[in-house]
Amino acid sequence: DIQMTQSPSSVSASVGDRVTMTCRASQGISTWLAWYQQKPGKAPKLLIYAASSLQSGVPSRFSGSGSGTDFTLTISSLQPEDFATYYCQQTNSFPLTFGGGTKVETK
Amino acid sequence: QVQLQESGPGMVKPSETLSLRCTVSGGSISGYFWSWIRQTPGKGLEWIGYIHYSGSTNYNPSLKSRLTISVDTSKNQLSLKLRSVTAADTAVYYCARHNLGSDYDFDHWGQGTLVTVSS
Repeated sequence: DIQMTQSPSSVSASVGDRVTMTCRASQGISTWLAWYQQKPGKAPKLLIYAASSLQSGVPSRFSGSGSGTDFTLTISSLQPEDFATYYCQQTNSFPLTFGGGTKVETK
Repeated sequence: QVQLQESGPGMVKPSETLSLRCTVSGGSISGYFWSWIRQTPGKGLEWIGYIHYSGSTNYNPSLKSRLTISVDTSKNQLSLKLRSVTAADTAVYYCARHNLGSDYDFDHWGQGTLVTVSS
């Protein structure tokens, strides 16, 4: 199985901050990576697919980059509704696997 | 707007079978892949398996020996059966639709249903 490791596990930030988090795959996955946002008690929401493609309806302050084993999700200007936990998922091979998450908390 | 709704018992006894249903509304089950995913505080998000509307399946090897996923296109429903459950199967279970643009990520999710395995 491909292991997905996210860092940091949590980040403290303020509204307006630029926030960056990373996801590392245990082997190369090209750009077969998705990012999700999850709020407490809710299902994950797809933000980014194919490493850098913005899902329809997702604000442009979210962006993804990377290929191979190292990937980044960036929130360019953190908004109040962005405080949540973010997960990466590899879609390169089965079984599909997720990272452990990065929680964005208020500073 | 496509909506997914999981349903089933909230509690299952150890060694018994966990059975869940996912009803799709606002769109057809045809033409898509559909997955079951579960989430626990300890193990995080775990992909269980998928089914194509045609009936083809792909299961997580860690669960394959105990798992059956099926689809009923006439009812716009998919189902999950997990046999011989233990406390480790306690989780929030989600059904999700695969993103047509990229195949194996998930663009629509149900709200999730908590299943507790306990005697």
